[in-house]
Amino acid sequence: DGGITQSPKYLFRKEGQNVTLSCEQNLNHDAMYWYRQDPGQGLRLIYYSQIVNDFQKGDIAEGYSVSREKKESFPLTVTSAQKNPTAFYLCASSITRNTEAFFGQGTRLTVV
Amino acid sequence: QKEVEQNSGPLSVPEGAIASLNCTYSDRGSQSFFWYRQYSGKSPELIMSIYSNGDKEDGRFTAQLNKASQYVSLLIRDSQPSDSATYLCAVNPLGYRDYKLSFGAGTTVTVRA
Repeated sequence: DGGITQSPKYLFRKEGQNVTLSCEQNLNHDAMYWYRQDPGQGLRLIYYSQIVNDFQKGDIAEGYSVSREKKESFPLTVTSAQKNPTAFYLCASSITRNTEAFFGQGTRLTVV
Repeated sequence: QKEVEQNSGPLSVPEGAIASLNCTYSDRGSQSFFWYRQYSGKSPELIMSIYSNGDKEDGRFTAQLNKASQYVSLLIRDSQPSDSATYLCAVNPLGYRDYKLSFGAGTTVTVRA
């Protein structure tokens, strides 16, 4: 089945540790995105990539890093510099820019 | 001013009624508009996309776009309990120059049986 796979579904991290969230798609989409959602709030864009080996910062990129070495993969690293990392992280992809985006099932990150 | 604003809700409607959701956006250059449905604890699911002024119908859902007024709405006819969710409006505020899909905070809808 085609789709977007995020892993893990739940992740616990100790303060001061970096952690990497996985996002893989087999839809042959060019564009991929990372959003963060906090309780009762909308989605905020962290990073996005329109093509392999290229990505741009979104509205809240501080404390996060990404790579786009393959079209299918767009991992997000939450670094220790991110002051409040506990949130629901959503990866999405679209055929190209200006078209609808489809989401993975999300990763719920908790800092303990 | 926020890029995308939605009526705050929550919105409670009886089963079988019409639920009306509104969304305004700030960038006149916006070209593409989307409505997503998000159940509690789940990821957003695309339910409608609209690119041209006017109405677009898909089953019980109708999206309406008015670019002159910078307004997009979603009507849910014959509301069912399964429609109870948060509805997110999303807009590409930069048009064809770049991609940065911006979301509103969402409107939570509860359909009363």
